[in-house]
Amino acid sequence: GQQLNQSPQSMFIQEGEDVSMNCTSSSIFNTWLWYKQDPGEGPVLLIALYKAGELTSNGRLTAQFGITRKDSFLNISASIPSDVGIYFCAAQGGGSNYKLTFGKGTLLTVNP
Amino acid sequence: GAVVSQHPSRVICKSGTSVKIECRSLDFQATTMFWYRQFPKQSLMLMATSNEGSKATYEQGVEKDKFLINHASLTLSTLTVTSAHPEDSSFYICSARAVSGQETQYFGPGTRLLVL
Repeated sequence: GQQLNQSPQSMFIQEGEDVSMNCTSSSIFNTWLWYKQDPGEGPVLLIALYKAGELTSNGRLTAQFGITRKDSFLNISASIPSDVGIYFCAAQGGGSNYKLTFGKGTLLTVNP
Repeated sequence: GAVVSQHPSRVICKSGTSVKIECRSLDFQATTMFWYRQFPKQSLMLMATSNEGSKATYEQGVEKDKFLINHASLTLSTLTVTSAHPEDSSFYICSARAVSGQETQYFGPGTRLLVL
């Protein structure tokens, strides 16, 4: 089946540092999504990407849809303590199958 | 916009009882809703896809008679865990896909189920 390889699995950084995480796959996808999940809550959509090569920002967050349609990255600049959480990439193949394939998540810890 | 709610947020029940979880899209219509299950420190596992007015499509290994799904309207889908057992204890999350939107799913806040 389709799988997303998300890395790193976890990160420990100092407040103010930049963060980068990525997802790769052997399959082509039409949509890439990045979510953040806080403990005991549902995932919250951060950025949605719909075109290969697309680069989109949301405040301090920037994400790109890889040109091959098999990968995506998420960057967080100038991290702050509230950035702590689990970040998931997700991808959708298109057509009438709207199911999402999820990465295994990146646990981000920010030390004040 | 694009708010999805779930009720209840947490529930504790006795083994053998049934539990119903509601998922509502509050400010948009959702032809398709999805139900996920998440174990601690793991990613989301898709259980079933729920389409308004038709039967749900279950993922391999998910018992349809155990996890009953009803998508009666464009804003409401329900998941009923029948004859719950302790191994059914988990975090259940729904998501909704907007009718006219691009392929984006918005997630509910999740329901924590504990079966004693």
